[in-house]
Amino acid sequence: QVQLVQSGAEVKKPGSSVKVSCKASGDTFSTFAMSWVRQAPGQGLEWMGGIIPIFGTIKYAQKFQGRVTISTDKSTGTAYMELSSLRSEDTAVYYCAREGPTAAAGQPFDYWGQGTLVTVSS
Amino acid sequence: EIVLTQSPGTLSLSPGERATLSCRASQSVNSNYLAWYQQKPGQAPRLLIYGATTRATGIPDRFSGSGSGTDFTLTISRLEPEDFAVYYCQQYGSSLSITFGQGTRLEIK
Repeated sequence: QVQLVQSGAEVKKPGSSVKVSCKASGDTFSTFAMSWVRQAPGQGLEWMGGIIPIFGTIKYAQKFQGRVTISTDKSTGTAYMELSSLRSEDTAVYYCAREGPTAAAGQPFDYWGQGTLVTVSS
Repeated sequence: EIVLTQSPGTLSLSPGERATLSCRASQSVNSNYLAWYQQKPGQAPRLLIYGATTRATGIPDRFSGSGSGTDFTLTISRLEPEDFAVYYCQQYGSSLSITFGQGTRLEIK
């Protein structure tokens, strides 16, 4: 059973950065793509970007280009999402989500982390 | 970028009734890479349907997906109390190029 465990809630000042982690259980971390999705309070789901660890391929949604950095540490099976130049509109729950159920291209998100609330406030 | 438009925004039905949710894409979805998710308050989304028609592991057979190209439907044949939630469609046409619809809220009438 795959589990994605995210780091805890954060409170940040406008203009600062936040880095959220997502640790995956199991030994197939590198072969499955991992994405980050956020959800502002009372709003819908928004894909931010993703990474295929085994290839190092990274893609970002255009809206977040230049502000988001997605990375992984294959040795610990952990994915990271760093968002910079934070503003109040970035207040949201941030989820990591694994593409599956296979490692082939074009998969939905079969496993999700529990979410990390990031609050941006002065 | 493929834009997904879900309708209706809110659907009010009673337990035992049939629910039909729609998702329309701004252009054809590659290989019918269309998924549906259910989200309850305070929880992460849960995968229901992928490939437009395939139920995910453990999903009851009252949930079914249909459609192709630009028009997709999620049907819940007989609503159970636990089915009242928000539903999102998602296209994942190529790895790392992904968009979601704005969601349909299914509420108890």
